[in-house]
Amino acid sequence: AQRVTQPEKLLSVFKGAPVELKCNYSYSGSPELFWYVQYSRQRLQLLLRHISRESIKGFTADLNKGETSFHLKKPFAQEEDSAMYYCALSGAGSYQLTFGKGTKLSVIP
Amino acid sequence: EAEVAQSPRYKITEKSQAVAFWCDPISGHATLYWYRQILGQGPELLVQFQDESVVDDSQLPKDRFSAERLKGVDSTLKIQPAELGDSAMYLCASSSSRAGGGKTQYFGPGTRLLVL
Repeated sequence: AQRVTQPEKLLSVFKGAPVELKCNYSYSGSPELFWYVQYSRQRLQLLLRHISRESIKGFTADLNKGETSFHLKKPFAQEEDSAMYYCALSGAGSYQLTFGKGTKLSVIP
Repeated sequence: EAEVAQSPRYKITEKSQAVAFWCDPISGHATLYWYRQILGQGPELLVQFQDESVVDDSQLPKDRFSAERLKGVDSTLKIQPAELGDSAMYLCASSSSRAGGGKTQYFGPGTRLLVL
């Protein structure tokens, strides 16, 4: 069975400080990993996917197969980054997503 | 920009009543998903459609939940009878079947259900 674990329910950082949102997964094959974000009063939306290897809004995430992790990082947090972040996994050959429970990021001015 | 539409946005009902939610995916998206999100949890897949066919409904409580996508476009999720534990946000998402972009899911605003 596939599983996504986000160990932190809430993460508070000061503006300008580095951010790391942790995500660990359990999957026997080669997964595809995603980060979705939900800003206040907005719908859930894709932030980035590991196969794209791109930086979105200053965020990056690297898939570490050895540690089965896909942590989300940003060197300098901005107030507008405050949101709910969900890590999600899709198995090989599948379009389905398994989500973690989410981490609420609060950036303190 | 095209978006997934859902209605109603909020629904309050009494237990044992029937409720129905509607979803209109992005035009041209062949794959449609219904998720349930309990407060404090991530979305959990209930059912996946490919066009008008059910691909996976293994997590759908079929004794009370039903879903259909008759013409392969919009979809309805029904609960009958509703129970207190069904109170949650119900999310609809769609994705294209095109290679490379097919795994990105686009979400609707959700329907928040409260069962009294």
